[in-house]
Amino acid sequence: GDSVTQMEGPVTLSEEAFLTINCTYTATGYPSLFWYVQYPGEGLQLLLKATKADDKGSNKGFEATYRKETTSFHLEKGSVQVSDSAVYFCALSAGGSYIPTFGRGTSLIVHP
Amino acid sequence: EAGVAQSPRYKIIEKRQSVAFWCNPISGHATLYWYQQILGQGPKLLIQFQNNGVVDDSQLPKDRFSAERLKGVDSTLKIQPAKLEDSAVYLCASSLRQRTVSNEKLFFGSGTQLSVL
Repeated sequence: GDSVTQMEGPVTLSEEAFLTINCTYTATGYPSLFWYVQYPGEGLQLLLKATKADDKGSNKGFEATYRKETTSFHLEKGSVQVSDSAVYFCALSAGGSYIPTFGRGTSLIVHP
Repeated sequence: EAGVAQSPRYKIIEKRQSVAFWCNPISGHATLYWYQQILGQGPKLLIQFQNNGVVDDSQLPKDRFSAERLKGVDSTLKIQPAKLEDSAVYLCASSLRQRTVSNEKLFFGSGTQLSVL
């Protein structure tokens, strides 16, 4: 079945460091790919998405490119801030039901 | 615009007791989801409603879990009797369209954290 694999956390960075959170997927057909973010005490929020190969999703300085050849959708940000500390979930939506399937989440901790 | 509302925020019960969670989706959203998020894991879908009809409940442990969405708006999720392994955050989400498409955006509530002792 469809699945998403994310790198284990926590990822701990200093402010202004470069961020990469790896995500790979397994799915039939051509899924849509998403990154959701969960700030402490809040629900998940859509951060960005890409719906076809080579698409780049971007939002709030975060980017991810849909790579079909490597079945990956890695999240990147050039300069992280303390306020980016959260849990990041990679997800895909495919098949007839299009119900999102989530990875286990990667916790990001950014120190001043 | 008001977001997805869930209550209670926290619940502690003993095993074999029953518990209920409530969700009020964003006004006008046709599709409602309940997810279970166990600590250290990603959210896992329990049940999906479109309006007041069940679309997918294949992952719902029907011997103990039940859910309903009356009048296609609010929803309740019930566990009876609870087991230790039910300790998790229960997330409600909603989306706008009646037929979910591949790039549909989900809006999540803050969740109910359940601890079963």
